[in-house]
Amino acid sequence: EVQLVESGGGLVQPGGSLRLSCAASGFSFSRYSMNWLRQAPGKGLEWVSYISGSSTTIYYADSVKGRFTVSRDNAKNSLYLQMNSLRDEDTAVYYCARVPVEELGTFDYWGQGTLVTVSS
Amino acid sequence: QLVLTQSPSASASLGASVKLTCTLSSGHSSYAIAWHQQQPEKGPRYLLRVNSNGRHSKGDGIPDRFSGSSSGAERYLTISSLQSEDEADYYCQTWATGIRVFGTGTKVTV
Repeated sequence: EVQLVESGGGLVQPGGSLRLSCAASGFSFSRYSMNWLRQAPGKGLEWVSYISGSSTTIYYADSVKGRFTVSRDNAKNSLYLQMNSLRDEDTAVYYCARVPVEELGTFDYWGQGTLVTVSS
Repeated sequence: QLVLTQSPSASASLGASVKLTCTLSSGHSSYAIAWHQQQPEKGPRYLLRVNSNGRHSKGDGIPDRFSGSSSGAERYLTISSLQSEDEADYYCQTWATGIRVFGTGTKVTV
């Protein structure tokens, strides 16, 4: 069974940093590209970042470019999101999601999310 | 600019059918899209992918009640035999190199 479990969320002050983790199980992690997405309270879904299985291809949404860094450790079956210079508008539930092999543009499994609150 | 447009809400009775629409922006009518369901207080779940020719491919364990279709720049999600657990937000999503785009979501009330 495919499982994705996010962790690392919490309360952080504006300008601060936080590192999210996503533990993957139930599939061959290194073969799959992964994404981070988020959902602000009461709002819709927003894509944040994409990383290929070998980390050779990485994309970011304009809203986080230069502040967030995605990485992965295939030996640990883990995905990470380093978030720096956090702003109030980064407050959201953050999800990791797997990319299906047959279509690189979407997400076939999602985690349950971890809440990040940016507030003074 | 790649944009997806969805109606904010839809409703239908238990056991009935509902058809949700997702419209691709001008110049992007050949794009495939995906539909994701988000039940209250839960993470999203992938339902299916719909190509411009109307062919769709469902995610693991998705019931046959869910189907996709296409016409021009419109992509559809049809839910048949509505059940109470189908009350949720439904998001369409598409992609291009370096970007992933979501519609604003349709809230389905059963």
